[in-house]
Amino acid sequence: EAGVTQSPTHLIKTRGQQATLRCSPISGHTSVYWYQQALGLGLQFLLWYDEGEERNRGNFPPRFSGRQFPNYSSELNVNALELEDSALYLCASSSGQGPTGELFFGEGSRLTVL
Amino acid sequence: AQSVTQLGSHVSVSEGALVLLRCNYSSSVPPYLFWYVQYPNQGLQLLLKYTTGATLVKGINGFEAEFKKSETSFHLTKPSAHMSDAAEYFCAVEPHNQGGKLIFGQGTELSVKP
Repeated sequence: EAGVTQSPTHLIKTRGQQATLRCSPISGHTSVYWYQQALGLGLQFLLWYDEGEERNRGNFPPRFSGRQFPNYSSELNVNALELEDSALYLCASSSGQGPTGELFFGEGSRLTVL
Repeated sequence: AQSVTQLGSHVSVSEGALVLLRCNYSSSVPPYLFWYVQYPNQGLQLLLKYTTGATLVKGINGFEAEFKKSETSFHLTKPSAHMSDAAEYFCAVEPHNQGGKLIFGQGTELSVKP
């Protein structure tokens, strides 16, 4: 069974540009989560999508947005990139049953902003 | 706001020695509790979780953790360390009614010496 897949693996952008990261959940999982792992800040919750709807959002500015498609895959968009957006962005999925903390993580997309 | 504290950003043990990674959380209501492991250049993998019931939880790779409400702790242990255990370990909580939002500790990097 394929795990959570993320693309691209690495992405280099300059300040002010936009970045789009993609995530495909495990087959049968309807929930997708995004986390940011920045140096010195640890893992921080960004967004949770379930059944195409945004269910919860972390303390990030509106320029961080995303969506979930009918096939449950998801996209994270970061507009007006800033240097501090450089981080590993992790996507996770779950079946949405029981405590939602049992997440299955992808290997991440590393975003570098120059 | 809830928080998770992992004592010691780096822990080093000898192969065959006891592994003890400490985690304390702040919450008036016991949240769901998790330990994740992250190997280099990989995503996070769930080691074990506590939701309700038995306070001693067994996970994968010989790890276990005990939930102690009176101490607001969820320390991770393994009787005998193996070289392959070298990784970063994250304690996390999911507050009730905050589906999808895991609050992670800063992580503890475990080194295993031969």
